[in-house]
Amino acid sequence: GENVEQHPSTLSVQEGDSAVIKCTYSDSASNYFPWYKQELGKGPQLIIDIRSNVGEKKDQRIAVTLNKTAKHFSLHITETQPEDSAVYFCAARTFQGAQKLVFGQGTRLTINP
Amino acid sequence: DSGVTQTPKHLITATGQRVTLRCSPRSGDLSVYWYQQSLDQGLQFLIQYYNGEERAKGNILERFSAQQFPDLHSELNLSSLELGDSALYFCASSPGTSTGELFFGEGSRLTVL
Repeated sequence: GENVEQHPSTLSVQEGDSAVIKCTYSDSASNYFPWYKQELGKGPQLIIDIRSNVGEKKDQRIAVTLNKTAKHFSLHITETQPEDSAVYFCAARTFQGAQKLVFGQGTRLTINP
Repeated sequence: DSGVTQTPKHLITATGQRVTLRCSPRSGDLSVYWYQQSLDQGLQFLIQYYNGEERAKGNILERFSAQQFPDLHSELNLSSLELGDSALYFCASSPGTSTGELFFGEGSRLTVL
């Protein structure tokens, strides 16, 4: 079945620095790649997504890049702030079997003041 | 607040028991998804319902079952519970069948002793 690998599992950066989280997927038919942020005690919340017809998308300090040939996509957070500390999940929409969203294992991001 | 309501928030039970988790989707959303989040296991897709019908199935154990009622709320039934079933169970909803943005509830934390 579809597999989404996410790295690193933990990431610690200084406030103001950039953070990058990378994911790879296996289903070449996947066409939608969202990123979710999960704060402590909360459910995941969509922060940005990208579809397969574009290579990059930005929203203020957050950007996502997609390389369909290599089947990988990345989340970039610039000028990190303490409130960026959370667990981040990448996901890919797969059509293997039934259409569903498959998530990566998550990255725990810690912003050090 | 995502608009998705899950009850109970916490549940402690013993091995071999049966529990029911409940989810009320956002107003107007027809799809409900169930995910399991174990330690270091990411978000594992269990099952999706759309307007009362099962739409997609993931890695859901035979001991688990779900349904979506005419008022669109959903229940996840977990039976013959094992220690390994201890996890956070998330419900999410979306307007249609195509898995675009999912709106997650805050989860039900199940502890099996």
